[in-house]
Amino acid sequence: DIVITQDELSNPVTSGESVSISCRSSKSLLYKDGKTYLNWFLQRPGQSPQLLIYLMSTRASGVSDRFSGSGSGTDFTLEISRVKAEDVGVYYCQQLVEYPRTFGGGTKLEIK
Amino acid sequence: QVQLKESGPGLVAPSQSLSITCTVSGFSLTSYGVSWVRQPPGKGLEWLGVIWGDGSTNYHSALISRLSISKDNSKSQVFLKLNSLQTDDTATYYCAKTVYYAMDYWGQGTSVTVSS
Repeated sequence: DIVITQDELSNPVTSGESVSISCRSSKSLLYKDGKTYLNWFLQRPGQSPQLLIYLMSTRASGVSDRFSGSGSGTDFTLEISRVKAEDVGVYYCQQLVEYPRTFGGGTKLEIK
Repeated sequence: QVQLKESGPGLVAPSQSLSITCTVSGFSLTSYGVSWVRQPPGKGLEWLGVIWGDGSTNYHSALISRLSISKDNSKSQVFLKLNSLQTDDTATYYCAKTVYYAMDYWGQGTSVTVSS
């Protein structure tokens, strides 16, 4: 199985600042069709996960442009600019290049 | 609009089977897939499997001997069945509308506790 690794954030973030969340894959997620099958989700407290970014860098419908995704075949970053209180929760990345569709362990975002 | 809603038994005894129904609206099961994902209390997300519009399925290799996903297109329902439950199957179970590149809409989840 592909292993997806996410780091913890070292400190809570101040509202208005920017934050980067990292995700690493044990195998390249660049598929032969030229697309990179890495998605990002936000799970707010007590809620279901919500799709933020798909195919590494495309924002899902209705997602704020404060969220952006980037990366290579194995290393990925979710950047959140001008962090707001509503961004609090756990961020998960997921690969869709192979079965089983594995998730990272999640990165918790807290606001000071 | 797209909606998914899971319904399950809440409590299941060890060694018994779990059956959960996902009822969808706003899209056709013949055109889109539905995935199942679970989340143990306080832990992360685990993908379980998917059923596609044509009825084909893919399962997590660790669960393939215990897991079955099926659907009734006419009723807009997808079914998860997990056999031989153990305590570590205790989790919130989610269904999600699925396209080839994403799980784009999720249900609210249904909590399942395995206990005698």
